Amino acid sequence: EAGVAQSPRYKIIEKRQSVAFWCNPISGHATLYWYQQILGQGPKLLIQFQNNGVVDDSQLPKDRFSAERLKGVDSTLKIQPAKLEDSAVYLCASSLYSMEETQYFGPGTRLLVL
Amino acid sequence: SQKIEQNSEALNIQEGKTATLTCNYTNYSPAYLQWYRQDPGRGPVFLLLIRENEKEKRKERLKVTFDTTLKQSLFHITASQPADSATYLCALYTGGFKTIFGAGTRLFVKA
Repeated sequence: EAGVAQSPRYKIIEKRQSVAFWCNPISGHATLYWYQQILGQGPKLLIQFQNNGVVDDSQLPKDRFSAERLKGVDSTLKIQPAKLEDSAVYLCASSLYSMEETQYFGPGTRLLVL
Repeated sequence: SQKIEQNSEALNIQEGKTATLTCNYTNYSPAYLQWYRQDPGRGPVFLLLIRENEKEKRKERLKVTFDTTLKQSLFHITASQPADSATYLCALYTGGFKTIFGAGTRLFVKA
């Protein structure tokens, strides 16, 4: 079974630039999560989708971050414009359904904002 | 305020010994608690889940305990090996489809 795929793996941008990350969850998984993990901290949930609807985006900085999950499969997370404090690893995870206890994580995208 | 605390300092142990990692929480009543392993440059990988009505769960060399009175979970790795070196994260399911992760504890197992 293929795991969660993410791209790119690394990205370096200047502050105020835009960046987008892509995630392909495990086939058949209805729930998709985007997390931000700052160095030395645990993953922090940014947004959670159930199929193509948003379940929780309470911690998403909506003035600069946006995410979509078209057709309930792939998802993109965008930052526009980026700030220095956005430097982090962005992890995508999926689970079979919302109440599924186990989340399967992708390798993450490491973002450095200069 | 709500908090999840894991040992911020790295844990260094000798191969063959038992590693014990702690996860303490305040102001949550989690339905279950999970432990994940994270290697450098990789995403977390699920290890074990323990529910609020369970005291202990085992899987091979791993054991998790959950004390809802103390608001604490202990994660044990017996007969530790250098390959067990990683960061271990605890995660609480707080209800409302929300899982909160701790900052993790780095474990180093020396040969």
